[in-house]
Amino acid sequence: GENVEQHPSTLSVQEGDSAVIKCTYSDSASNYFPWYKQELGKGPQLIIDIRSNVGEKKDQRIAVTLNKTAKHFSLHITETQPEDSAVYFCAASEDYGQNFVFGPGTRLSVLP
Amino acid sequence: SQTIHQWPATLVQPVGSPLSLECTVEGTSNPNLYWYRQAAGRGLQLLFYSVGIGQISSEVPQNLSASRPQDRQFILSSKKLLLSDSGFYLCAWSVALGVSGANVLTFGAGSRLTVL
Repeated sequence: GENVEQHPSTLSVQEGDSAVIKCTYSDSASNYFPWYKQELGKGPQLIIDIRSNVGEKKDQRIAVTLNKTAKHFSLHITETQPEDSAVYFCAASEDYGQNFVFGPGTRLSVLP
Repeated sequence: SQTIHQWPATLVQPVGSPLSLECTVEGTSNPNLYWYRQAAGRGLQLLFYSVGIGQISSEVPQNLSASRPQDRQFILSSKKLLLSDSGFYLCAWSVALGVSGANVLTFGAGSRLTVL
């Protein structure tokens, strides 16, 4: 089955700096890769996703890149702000599939 | 628009007592429904998913069960709670299989269960 690894487990950056979180997956059949942000005591919220027919997707300060050959994808947050502090999860699944495999999460702290 | 409701938000239960967490989805039909558990500081573990009324798939053996009595209702239950059942339980939904873009997963706000 699919296995998703995520690094780093914790990340601290200064406000205004960039943050990068990386994930790798094992199943070449996976072709949908979402990223979720979870604030303390809340459910995860989808912040950006990418499908395998695209190499990069950007939404304001957030971008995701995908390398299908190497089976890894990354989340990039630029100009970080204190409200970006949260736990971020990556996931992988097959299109039309119902089984999402999540990474273990990255706790991002943006220091003022 | 679609919304997902999950309750109760917080629950403290003694060991050996029963459990019932409820989840409902509005604004869609025949959704895929999921129960995840998140232990403290850990990732998301899929417990159950359902593609239709009465259809439940279990991902891990455990002390919990799930039921889907109605199209947009998903219930997580236990007859006798264990200490190890403590955690943050998340309900989620996605569009049914076979629909383009089907696998966007939307989570509820979560239910924090503490077993004492």
